[in-house]
Amino acid sequence: AQTVTQSQPEMSVQEAETVTLSCTYDTSESDYYLFWYKQPPSRQMILVIRQEAYKQQNATENRFSVNFQKAAKSFSLKISDSQLGDAAMYFCAYRMLSGYSTLTFGKGTMLLVSP
Amino acid sequence: KAGVTQTPRYLIKTRGQQVTLSCSPISGHRSVSWYQQTPGQGLQFLFEYFSETQRNKGNFPGRFSGRQFSNSRSEMNVSTLELGDSALYLCASSLVAGVAYNEQFFGPGTRLTVL
Repeated sequence: AQTVTQSQPEMSVQEAETVTLSCTYDTSESDYYLFWYKQPPSRQMILVIRQEAYKQQNATENRFSVNFQKAAKSFSLKISDSQLGDAAMYFCAYRMLSGYSTLTFGKGTMLLVSP
Repeated sequence: KAGVTQTPRYLIKTRGQQVTLSCSPISGHRSVSWYQQTPGQGLQFLFEYFSETQRNKGNFPGRFSGRQFSNSRSEMNVSTLELGDSALYLCASSLVAGVAYNEQFFGPGTRLTVL
């Protein structure tokens, strides 16, 4: 079974600084997708960024980028120029490429942003 | 385009009762997935429906059931409620099922409290 581990329950960053959230996963599959979702307090969860395992190039979306290390099964999220609106719970998730696969989530990292 | 809507937003029930939660997907989306979110277990997959058929099921007891209607709206039912069923229940919709890169769009959730 696939598992996703986020070892940092909480992280803090100051506005304008950079923070990296860690995620590791375990799978025997070679093709899959990895995602980072953001859940602001009392607001809907939204997709931040996704990575296809067969692509070596790391995904980037504006201030958000990932460091995908397939051999190490590591998928970290870097947030540059942090903003107050980035404060949220961040979930790392995995999904197999094939079949009616489901999202497997890590337990989340709460990101606190201070002025 | 309207997002995923869930009703009711909050529910308080007592042990032994049953409850029905509703989810309306984004227009044109035919797949609906349900997740249970608790502080201890994080986000856990319940089931996914597509074209009125359950395509995948998580590891939950039979007290948890669901269905999907011809307009893609979905309901989930929990019978004989237990204290441990207190959670945020999230619904997510996507265009189709079984396609890993399809983004899942989440609703605001239904907060269920069992007393």
